[in-house]
Amino acid sequence: GENVEQHPSTLSVQEGDSAVIKCTYSDSASNYFPWYKQELGKRPQLIIDIRSNVGEKKDQRIAVTLNKTAKHFSLHITETQPEDSAVYFCAATLDTGNQFYFGTGTSLTVIP
Amino acid sequence: GAVVSQHPSRVICKSGTSVKIECRSLDFQATTMFWYRQFPKQSLMLMATSNEGSKATYEQGVEKDKFLINHASLTLSTLTVTSAHPEDSSFYICSAAEPYNEQFFGPGTRLTVL
Repeated sequence: GENVEQHPSTLSVQEGDSAVIKCTYSDSASNYFPWYKQELGKRPQLIIDIRSNVGEKKDQRIAVTLNKTAKHFSLHITETQPEDSAVYFCAATLDTGNQFYFGTGTSLTVIP
Repeated sequence: GAVVSQHPSRVICKSGTSVKIECRSLDFQATTMFWYRQFPKQSLMLMATSNEGSKATYEQGVEKDKFLINHASLTLSTLTVTSAHPEDSSFYICSAAEPYNEQFFGPGTRLTVL
C-alpha cells in the first residue's frame, strides 16, 4: 500500500514567520493529497487539498505545492499566528472517497 | 460540510469485555466508511474500510476477529473491540465519504481498557 513520510515531526516558529511541512509518498497512482489540522483530542479538520493535475493551490495564508514527478508535496503557512499551533497531517489517496494514508504528523508551535 | 458522529465519545471498560463504537453519517449516505486508530502523539493508522452491505477490508496487521466491523446501512458503521485489553486503549476515529467527495471525520472515541 501507500507509504507517506512527513517531516519535520516538530516545528517551532515565531509568530509572523512562515512554516513549511514536507511529505513524500510512494504510490505513483495516488492523485489526491489533503492536509489536515488536528487539535488535541479532536477530529482532523481539512485545511487544504490538491489534486495531481495541479502543481500549486493557495487559500489565504495556506498553500500547498505538489511535485508529482518527485512524489512530494508541501504545506506552506505564511504569517503564522498562535492559533495555527496544532498537529498537521498530510495524506495521500487514490481519490477522496478512498482510504487515506496519513503521514506521521508535524506538531507546530507558533510562539507569540 | 457534512456531519459524522461517533458514539460514545469516551468509554472505560474492564479487560476482557467487548466495546461497540458507532459511526453515523447524519446528513448524507456513506457507501464507504473508514476506521482509524490513533495512539497519543502519533498519526492516524487506517484499520479497515467498511462498505455497506459487504465485509470490511482490513489493513495488514489488523486482527479482523478482534476488531469486528459492521456496515449495516448507508448511515451507520460499527466497530466492536472484542475481548479488549489495555493495549487496545486508543483513540478510534471513523470517517465517511460519498464517492469522489470530501471525506469527513467523526469526533473520535477515546477507549480506555483497565
